[in-house]
Amino acid sequence: EDKVVQSPLSLVVHEGDTVTLNCSYEVTNFRSLLWYKQEKKAPTFLFMLTSSGIEKKSGRLSSILDKKELFSILNITATQTGDSAIYLCALPFSGTYKYIFGTGTRLKVLA
Amino acid sequence: EAQVTQNPRYLITVTGKKLTVTCSQNMNHEYMSWYRQDPGLGLRQIYYSMNVEVTDKGDVPEGYKVSRKEKRNFPLILESPSPNQTSLYFCASGRGGGRGYGYTFGSGTRLTVV
Repeated sequence: EDKVVQSPLSLVVHEGDTVTLNCSYEVTNFRSLLWYKQEKKAPTFLFMLTSSGIEKKSGRLSSILDKKELFSILNITATQTGDSAIYLCALPFSGTYKYIFGTGTRLKVLA
Repeated sequence: EAQVTQNPRYLITVTGKKLTVTCSQNMNHEYMSWYRQDPGLGLRQIYYSMNVEVTDKGDVPEGYKVSRKEKRNFPLILESPSPNQTSLYFCASGRGGGRGYGYTFGSGTRLTVV
């Protein structure tokens, strides 16, 4: 059965800390893994990963995929209060356009 | 401005009274999808559409209907809403099934069924 598991469920850090969020998956015929950030409203797209070992970077956020061990990590360095959000990862179901989302990691950054 | 527009933003209704949540996108995306988000369960896909007149079930389609008569619109219909359909609903659209480009999400519709 296809599934996506994110950890930790929730995380509280202080500004300036570095955090690492995990997304483990089990899908057959892997095609891509997507990361989203959800603040008060709709999720917004962060990264799409298809190849193992290639880091995607945007400012203080970066993400990498390990297709052998079936996980991805999202790193946020020098966290700011504006990084407080739920971070979601998602994958398409094998062979379809159905998507499965993890339950998310809720990050709270304290000033 | 490129966007996905959902209406209404908030809706309180009674059990059994048919309702429709509208979704419209102005990006000429082929792919559109509906999700519901519940605490502890994350985002779950209800239905999706690959193009006009092409729709398919997601993870949790029971109690919902959709139609895709035009490329830009993808309404979600609850024929006989029940309290377990109280949730936050998101519509999303994307190119290429969203796989390579990610989705654009609407702002959400918070539905309460009493």
